[in-house]
Amino acid sequence: SQTIHQWPATLVQPVGSPLSLECTVEGTSNPNLYWYRQAAGRGLQLLFYSIGIDQISSEVPQNLSASRPQDRQFILSSKKLLLSDSGFYLCAWTLPGGAALGFGPGTRLTVL
Amino acid sequence: AQTVTQSQPEMSVQEAETVTLSCTYDTSESNYYLFWYKQPPSRQMILVIRQEAYKQQNATENRFSVNFQKAAKSFSLKISDSQLGDTAMYFCAFMRGFGNEKLTFGTGTRLTIIP
Repeated sequence: SQTIHQWPATLVQPVGSPLSLECTVEGTSNPNLYWYRQAAGRGLQLLFYSIGIDQISSEVPQNLSASRPQDRQFILSSKKLLLSDSGFYLCAWTLPGGAALGFGPGTRLTVL
Repeated sequence: AQTVTQSQPEMSVQEAETVTLSCTYDTSESNYYLFWYKQPPSRQMILVIRQEAYKQQNATENRFSVNFQKAAKSFSLKISDSQLGDTAMYFCAFMRGFGNEKLTFGTGTRLTIIP
């Protein structure tokens, strides 16, 4: 069965510092991968999605970027964090065709 | 671009009653998938039910069932015999078909089951 790992679970960073959140999927190959951000009590905002290595679509042109160095690894980065980057970040995966879908446990990011 | 609309920000219902959460979507795609996800206070996303657009039969998972109206682009979730553990945020989601599976969520409905 497929498993998705996401770390760290909690992160507190100062404004202007860099960010790197990592997501790894096990038990499948060539998954679609997604990064979402969720403000407290709000919906899921799609940030990036990738249907393959070197195929990353950006939905929100902010100071965030995403990379997919390996088939099952998806990284969310920032060179300089803003206060508005605080939130709950979720990584998700699907199989091509939508046959399965899962979420990571999330990362709670606080920017001070 | 596809959009997903959940028009009920909050709902509450007595335990053991039936509740229906609404979801509408807008797309020009003919091949797609629809999902309902539950997010309890732990914030872990839990799949409730999944529907393939090409299937006319409504999906059912135990106490959870959907009313999928493709022409009306409607995908409502019915929870029967509601339980206290059903208290959570519920998100409707749309995913495009094979080849470009962008996955978009609605804004959610906060459901409270009253004992």
